Amino acid sequence: DAGITQSPRYKITETGRQVTLMCHQTWSHSYMFWYRQDLGHGLRLIYYSAAADITDKGEVPDGYVVSRSKTENFPLTLESATRSQTSVYFCASSELRTGTSPLHFGNGTRLTVT
Amino acid sequence: DQQVKQNSPSLSVQEGRISILNCDYTNSMFDYFLWYKKYPAEGPTFLISISSIKDKNEDGRFTVFLNKSAKHLSLHIVPSQPGDSAVYFCAASSPGTYGGSQGNLIFGKGTKLSVKP
Repeated sequence: DAGITQSPRYKITETGRQVTLMCHQTWSHSYMFWYRQDLGHGLRLIYYSAAADITDKGEVPDGYVVSRSKTENFPLTLESATRSQTSVYFCASSELRTGTSPLHFGNGTRLTVT
Repeated sequence: DQQVKQNSPSLSVQEGRISILNCDYTNSMFDYFLWYKKYPAEGPTFLISISSIKDKNEDGRFTVFLNKSAKHLSLHIVPSQPGDSAVYFCAASSPGTYGGSQGNLIFGKGTKLSVKP
């Protein structure tokens, strides 16, 4: 099926562990994004990518690492998870620069860090 | 410092009436504004957008109005339906918001709309 999929949907991990959230899109969109949603903050950009092998920081990048070796995949890694990283994470993609074409979001990964 | 503000966390409307969701922004460089709708346990979905060179855009029951002098936009839903009950996010984009090259969507905190039958 065409679209953008995130895995896992739910994840519980312990403080200090490394965890990777996966994102895969089938549209071959150039742009991909990782957002986190927290109460009282709305959606905040963590990292984005304009194309394979091109990534850049967003508003809240600390503690996260991304890579994009293939156009369709954009994994997000928490190198050493902290409780403050408990959140819902959304991956998104777009064909053109944001604004000129809408973002398409996945259904999110709910991450709990204990 | 919030660049996109949705000052009403929630709104309750009767079915069939008009829903008006408001959004204010501070950055005059924003060139596109978008509304997203989000149901629980799902990702946001795009609803409607407007370019800064326009003051109105309409799509079926949804109309977005932009008042650049007031740095204010609003989303009108007429008539409102129970299926419209969701969280609505206002978002804005400008060239070079991050990194000077890509542009990024800045989201408001959202307004939860409840449409009662």
